[in-house]
Amino acid sequence: DTGVSQNPRHKITKRGQNVTFRCDPISEHNRLYWYRQTLGQGPEFLTYFQNEAQLEKSRLLSDRFSAERPKGSFSTLEIQRTEQGDSAMYLCASSLSGSNEKLFFGSGTQLSVL
Amino acid sequence: GQNIDQPTEMTATEGAIVQINCTYQTSGFNGLFWYQQHAGEAPTFLSYNVLDGLEEKGRFSSFLSRSKGYSYLLLKELQMKDSASYLCALRSGGYQKVTFGTGTKLQVIP
Repeated sequence: DTGVSQNPRHKITKRGQNVTFRCDPISEHNRLYWYRQTLGQGPEFLTYFQNEAQLEKSRLLSDRFSAERPKGSFSTLEIQRTEQGDSAMYLCASSLSGSNEKLFFGSGTQLSVL
Repeated sequence: GQNIDQPTEMTATEGAIVQINCTYQTSGFNGLFWYQQHAGEAPTFLSYNVLDGLEEKGRFSSFLSRSKGYSYLLLKELQMKDSASYLCALRSGGYQKVTFGTGTKLQVIP
């Protein structure tokens, strides 16, 4: 078990292009979170899955953002028609429901929109 | 919704003790986390409080008062490597979503 894995580590794209990020959680974890973080800020909640069900999505998130977790294992986050304001670190975290349910984070995907 | 407040920055001296406060407002409180994040790295877990009181773990302790909507992280015997951002996070609501504050950037000076 190598922890939470995110790909790619870095993504540079032109404004208007679509991008997709992947997150592989710790294998037995049933909960998966996506966050966005900009410099000097805390992680901003985007969306949250329990198994394959998307339980909540941030009201601040536009319709250009969509996430899936089709088999309750890995997850993808897609951003359509990227804008410069989408430039940020996108973090994925997973946890196991039960005891203290601490979140384990991946190293993130740094997105730069030119 | 949730509201989490932490000081933006703090400075403390190597070997000293520092207390980082977090106040919050939420409905459906389930628990409160503290995470450490070094620059350019992912957050790492420090503590999780569900019940009122102090939990000690080595040089780090975390306190919770649910009635006051208040928590603090206490760092003892500060080391230079403790320079990092410290994030307070709430688990709350029916779906137990985890929401982070903006973080407190701690600088440890010699």
